[in-house]
Amino acid sequence: DSGVTQTPKHLITATGQRVTLRCSPRSGDLSVYWYQQSLDQGLQFLIQYYNGEERAKGNILERFSAQQFPDLHSELNLSSLELGDSALYFCASSASSRGTGANVLTFGAGSRLTVL
Amino acid sequence: GQQVMQIPQYQHVQEGEDFTTYCNSSTTLSNIQWYKQRPGGHPVFLIQLVKSGEVKKQKRLTFQFGEAKKNSSLHITATQTTDVGTYFCAVINTNAGKSTFGDGTTLTVKP
Repeated sequence: DSGVTQTPKHLITATGQRVTLRCSPRSGDLSVYWYQQSLDQGLQFLIQYYNGEERAKGNILERFSAQQFPDLHSELNLSSLELGDSALYFCASSASSRGTGANVLTFGAGSRLTVL
Repeated sequence: GQQVMQIPQYQHVQEGEDFTTYCNSSTTLSNIQWYKQRPGGHPVFLIQLVKSGEVKKQKRLTFQFGEAKKNSSLHITATQTTDVGTYFCAVINTNAGKSTFGDGTTLTVKP
């Protein structure tokens, strides 16, 4: 158990639908990252939050949005789903913005989304 | 944005052979990290390199950061079946909001 909790583990839905993926970071970590990993592909950075505020955006589609709440958990919302959105979505957390540990990412087990 | 190129994409070795994966950047890196993802698993942090020319070892794994801080390598000596997985290099800077992963090298080991 990495300490980063993601729910749900698996999700099957239909095209056009909307889903929400949830992430609880490791205790004490202020930063949350979201990544998308399609089958046999690399890790595509979507978005990063730090202590409730958006810090950086990657290749995140307009149909996707995210937020980090005061208790530091984060949610990734995916809407108007398409077949190509089927992927493994990882959340990762890191410590505060200072110190060498700040850049070390601890990943959750991922949420596998299947769009039919 | 910053990109890191990682090669090779795949490597198949016989158990006991050595393995190396390389990561290259066109710009100077503040740090570089390596992660391992086992089949069906999630990426797990292995190590972070910060200093020019740095070499770190973890048992059979040797990590190097180039003198110019533009390249890095991970070398595994005498591979074992437990080494299978995908190895990613990454450039992460939480404060600056930077997060870039290489495409990964997938290692398979024949027993």
